[in-house]
Amino acid sequence: SAVISQKPSRDICQRGTSLTIQCQVDSQVTMMFWYRQQPGQSLTLIATANQGSEATYESGFVIDKFPISRPNLTFSTLTVSNMSPEDSSIYLCSVEIAIPHEQYFGPGTRLTVT
Amino acid sequence: RKEVEQDPGPFNVPEGATVAFNCTYSNSASQSFFWYRQDCRKEPKLLMSVYSSGNEDGRFTAQLNRASQYISLLIRDSKLSDSATYLCVVDSYGGSQGNLIFGKGTKLSVKP
Repeated sequence: SAVISQKPSRDICQRGTSLTIQCQVDSQVTMMFWYRQQPGQSLTLIATANQGSEATYESGFVIDKFPISRPNLTFSTLTVSNMSPEDSSIYLCSVEIAIPHEQYFGPGTRLTVT
Repeated sequence: RKEVEQDPGPFNVPEGATVAFNCTYSNSASQSFFWYRQDCRKEPKLLMSVYSSGNEDGRFTAQLNRASQYISLLIRDSKLSDSATYLCVVDSYGGSQGNLIFGKGTKLSVKP
């Protein structure tokens, strides 16, 4: 597995503002992902963070709302832009290390938008 | 039809009980199957991968039936520490690389 950290662990933000979440891994990984887990729901993939190129977004998620950076193989950021209360959720990064599809998750960022 | 469906739960069982969770998936082309465990207010943690031949890890046994598109997880001799939500996870073959489809989870509560 890998040691994955996320910052911040939680935040309360005002509507209309933006928050950038950081994900740091203790080893180089090729595949890195961002998920959202809304209250009482399961996890939904937002995008795959690609190193050196634009992220690949899933249906229903767009770059303007969730810009992602992946400057190297150990770090990525997800920004939640122009937030509304509907963005209140837990945001998790994950990595795939050796076995395809076997993913390990960071501790998550709990976001509340007021 | 939901892509990954699980028993709704919650399951409330006494210590030492055997409990089984079931899961069905809709994409017959899926290739990878997992059970994750998620404790309250924590991230999901990989419990075990599920192989075609079935696999066992201590008190946990996972089975896969491709013909029925059905996955199961059996927990023997339940411990208090097994209390968590168990997520059935399947890859979306043909979808984005690395895309996993998560079930809503089944909550297990083991009582003394």
